[in-house]
Amino acid sequence: GQQVMQIPQYQHVQEGEDFTTYCNSSTTLSNIQWYKQRPGGHPVFLIQLVKSGEVKKQKRLTFQFGEAKKNSSLHITATQTTDVGTYFCAYGGATNKLIFGTGTLLAVQP
Amino acid sequence: NAGVMQNPRHLVRRRGQEARLRCSPMKGHSHVYWYRQLPEEGLKFMVYLQKENIIDESGMPKERFSAEFPKEGPSILRIQQVVRGDSAAYFCASSPTGDGNTIYFGEGSWLTVV
Repeated sequence: GQQVMQIPQYQHVQEGEDFTTYCNSSTTLSNIQWYKQRPGGHPVFLIQLVKSGEVKKQKRLTFQFGEAKKNSSLHITATQTTDVGTYFCAYGGATNKLIFGTGTLLAVQP
Repeated sequence: NAGVMQNPRHLVRRRGQEARLRCSPMKGHSHVYWYRQLPEEGLKFMVYLQKENIIDESGMPKERFSAEFPKEGPSILRIQQVVRGDSAAYFCASSPTGDGNTIYFGEGSWLTVV
């Protein structure tokens, strides 16, 4: 079946450093979404990517969808302490339910 | 427009008791999803419901767990005879269309089994 791996599991950076998390699928995805979950909080939708090779930016966040639509990345430039949390990719599975990747926990040291 | 409402936010149950978690979707949303998040783990799909119908329950444990979304009232996730391993955050999400696009999460219900 379809599998989505997210790496790294955990990343610790100094404030101001960049951060990237990757989402890799064994099969082609119709679309991919990214969510952020703050510690003790609930997942919050960030963005959806649909087109092959698509790149979207939200301030310091850059999202990419691979040409083959099998992988995606989220890059944060110059991290801030407010970026702390777990970042999940998600895709639509059978019956259109959303299936989440394993997540990357980002810790930012001031 | 209120968001997805879940209650209780925190629930403590003794082993063997029943836990009932409620979810009211956003106004106008008829598609509800339940996810479970164990400590330090990701979000695992449990069940997808529309009004009065279970669409996909492939993530639900075979025993003790059930879900419903009646014509009137909130969706209910019911866990019978809870065990310590059921301790987790249970998130409900809703969607207006059920087409696999954006879903909106509630703040979660944290179940602790003692």
